[in-house]
Amino acid sequence: AQKITQTQPGMFVQEKEAVTLDCTYDTSDPSYGLFWYKQPSSGEMIFLIYQGSYDQQNATEGRYSLNFQKARKSANLVISASQLGDSAMYFCAMREPTTGNQFYFGTGTSLTVIP
Amino acid sequence: ETGVTQTPRHLVMGMTNKKSLKCEQHLGHNAMYWYKQSAKKPLELMFVYNFKEQTENNSVPSRFSPECPNSSHLFLHLHTLQPEDSALYLCASSQELAGGAYQETQYFGPGTRLLVL
Repeated sequence: AQKITQTQPGMFVQEKEAVTLDCTYDTSDPSYGLFWYKQPSSGEMIFLIYQGSYDQQNATEGRYSLNFQKARKSANLVISASQLGDSAMYFCAMREPTTGNQFYFGTGTSLTVIP
Repeated sequence: ETGVTQTPRHLVMGMTNKKSLKCEQHLGHNAMYWYKQSAKKPLELMFVYNFKEQTENNSVPSRFSPECPNSSHLFLHLHTLQPEDSALYLCASSQELAGGAYQETQYFGPGTRLLVL
């Protein structure tokens, strides 16, 4: 089974609107970390936000927030007030101790912000 | 220089060439990684170096040869590559703790876009 599933290959959002990018994960480890990265067309993967499995509150970083639903094993990224510069690929990732803390990445979602 | 740097940014090589990709991290991290990113595929982990020791080699063909002379530098030596090796090669680093580090993120370089003719 895939560790990380991103079911939205492509998404469009109007500038200044909010958008949710979906991510579900698969683990039986009680301890794990969830990450979101942004990859612009230039290629560099930029770390956006982290959520730990024991964190009680949803993580937030500026316009980024993570909608963490542990029972459903989902970790959706919410981008508020979208900007043109948000157009990029977005990758969800997970680490878990039982597999040596290796990073598992999803296939990504391409986000296009429309002016 | 800050963060993670990679050189060259672009590389075109023939199948008989030998070339090397270089990665340098300025973050004081103790682990470095090579990933391959092909179009429409998830990131593929190639190699992991933890405290300069190779801890992961994900069945990568021997035409890719990593080298980690110290915790700040990582190389990927390439020889007799195939056209299907054309991809974006990303280097990353992280600070790994002895007892496990699932909380630690990786920081990536800008990547090298490789084209094998």
